[in-house]
Amino acid sequence: KQEVTQIPAALSVPEGENLVLNCSFTDSAIYNLQWFRQDPGKGLTSLLLIQSSQREQTSGRLNASLDKSSGRSTLYIAASQPGDSATYLCAVRPSNNAGNMLTFGGGTRLMVKP
Amino acid sequence: KAGVTQTPRYLIKTRGQQVTLSCSPISGHRSVSWYQQTPGQGLQFLFEYFSETQRNKGNFPGRFSGRQFSNSRSEMNVSTLELGDSALYLCASSPGHLNTGELFFGEGSRLTVL
Repeated sequence: KQEVTQIPAALSVPEGENLVLNCSFTDSAIYNLQWFRQDPGKGLTSLLLIQSSQREQTSGRLNASLDKSSGRSTLYIAASQPGDSATYLCAVRPSNNAGNMLTFGGGTRLMVKP
Repeated sequence: KAGVTQTPRYLIKTRGQQVTLSCSPISGHRSVSWYQQTPGQGLQFLFEYFSETQRNKGNFPGRFSGRQFSNSRSEMNVSTLELGDSALYLCASSPGHLNTGELFFGEGSRLTVL
């Protein structure tokens, strides 16, 4: 059974810092991995999607990497801003591509202080 | 292009009642998935529908059911509500038959069971 863990569970940083959020998964047989952002009481916003054959994806100040063999992904946020404060979730899709049955990590709650 | 729309956004029910939640996917998307989010269990997969057929089902009791209509809109129903069913119910849609792409989430329906 796939298990996804995100460390740390919470993180507080001053504005302007570069930071790394971690995601690890126990079964390396994944089809892809997706990073989401969730604001309090809201739905999930897709940030980056990495296919299993890819090593990284970039969007603006965000960069996500994937090391499938070691079961790890990182989300790098450059020059953090208060507007980045949210919970960040990673989710994996199994390699049998069983529809949209994703397994989610518990999330990292990020607070960026002005 | 409109996003994923969920109704109602908030609702309060009492134990033993039933509830129906609705989800309209992004135009052109044929797959609709449902997830339950609670503070204790995080995000858990409920079920997925594609072309009016249930494609996958998570580990939830039979009180949780769903369906999809020919226009891809989906509903989920929870019967005989329990206190533990209080949660944010999230709907997500994706395009096409091969789920190589991103999953797009709605804002959710927050259910409180008293």
